Amino acid sequence: DGGITQSPKYLFRKEGQNVTLSCEQNLNHDAMYWYRQDPGQGLRLIYYSQIVNDFQKGDIAEGYSVSREKKESFPLTVTSAQKNPTAFYLCASRKGGLAGGNPSYNEQFFGPGTRLTVL
Amino acid sequence: AQKITQTQPGMFVQEKEAVTLDCTYDTSDPSYGLFWYKQPSSGEMIFLIYQGSYDQQNATEGRYSLNFQKARKSANLVISASQLGDSAMYFCAMRGDNAGGTSYGKLTFGQGTILTVHP
Repeated sequence: DGGITQSPKYLFRKEGQNVTLSCEQNLNHDAMYWYRQDPGQGLRLIYYSQIVNDFQKGDIAEGYSVSREKKESFPLTVTSAQKNPTAFYLCASRKGGLAGGNPSYNEQFFGPGTRLTVL
Repeated sequence: AQKITQTQPGMFVQEKEAVTLDCTYDTSDPSYGLFWYKQPSSGEMIFLIYQGSYDQQNATEGRYSLNFQKARKSANLVISASQLGDSAMYFCAMRGDNAGGTSYGKLTFGQGTILTVHP
């Protein structure tokens, strides 16, 4: 079945450690996104990539890094520079592009998320 | 810059009744899309409905309809015949569809509304 997978589901990290969250999609989508969600809050964009080997900072990129070496994969590294990394992290993908002169809705499909806790 | 405002932190509705979840937005993009997502307690984000800024008619998807009032910059979600399974967090989101614009392809989320359906 096509979809987005994130691993692990739960992740515990000691302060000062870098940790990498996995995101894989087999939907052949061009664009991929990473969001952070704090309890009772909406989603905030960390990084996004519209095409392989290219990515842009979102609204809260500090303390995070990404790579997009393959279309299917968009891993997120939470570095020790991220002061408050405990949160729920959601990866999303989107087919991307416009269709027929009018914007196709091309909704973002989300993965199941990773809950990161810093001990 | 884009901004989404959801002013209702929580809403209650009786099973089988209709409920309206409010969403207002602000953007300078001439073309944009509006989305509603449902997030159950499991954390997954489920796409519900989309409205394009140039769509003449309000979007409908089964029991979901979007009351789009462009002049008032509002995009309220109406859920008809509420079910117990509708209890969840609901997010309104906006995406810029102006290719080359700073908001192109990026979703901006509101703070969300927790909906509780009573039997």
